[in-house]
Amino acid sequence: NAGVTQTPKFRILKIGQSMTLQCAQDMNHNYMYWYRQDPGMGLKLIYYSVGAGITDKGEVPNGYNVSRSTTEDFPLRLELAAPSQTSVYFCASSYRGGLVGETQYFGPGTRLLVL
Amino acid sequence: KQEVTQIPAALSVPEGENLVLNCSFTDSAIYNLQWFRQDPGKGLTSLLLIQSSQREQTSGRLNASLDKSSGRSTLYIAASQPGDSATYLCAVSIANDYKLSFGAGTTVTVRA
Repeated sequence: NAGVTQTPKFRILKIGQSMTLQCAQDMNHNYMYWYRQDPGMGLKLIYYSVGAGITDKGEVPNGYNVSRSTTEDFPLRLELAAPSQTSVYFCASSYRGGLVGETQYFGPGTRLLVL
Repeated sequence: KQEVTQIPAALSVPEGENLVLNCSFTDSAIYNLQWFRQDPGKGLTSLLLIQSSQREQTSGRLNASLDKSSGRSTLYIAASQPGDSATYLCAVSIANDYKLSFGAGTTVTVRA
């Protein structure tokens, strides 16, 4: 049982390049989330999904896109990388949102540097 | 908009001392509050979750209290060990919304 996995672990991008951050979970969770964490700051929600085919914006969605074609995978796409997108990106999942006592399970993160 | 603040930002204590980490939030209409641990280069691990109807939760040497009316939570770690060195994050959710609002964290160093 791998939990939540993310690839790559680290990536350097040039301004204007595009890339996809991969996230997968093997816990049959319905809900998946993408966060970014800037130095000295809390995590901020970028996008989330409540099931395959359903996605919605979080607090900081500009410059990103997501898709959810399967329950297991939730890739995050950066189309035109900008220095402001330098951050650590975390993917998380939960069985359902809002259940009593339920928590989110986090992946190890992807460190992205845009130069 | 919910704002979550954690003070202090960093804390260094000798081994064996008790740790007290503080979290405050601006909107008292929370559904639950969670404390997470983050090790360098790793993801977050949930430590304790307190539902809005609860006053505290305990797990081993960890105890978290919640005072909704004052918008505060405190994480106590008894008899700290070097292995407790990490960043501790507080997060709250509103109503039964699945979205979490995070504080910036407190980085703890326990000196052997």
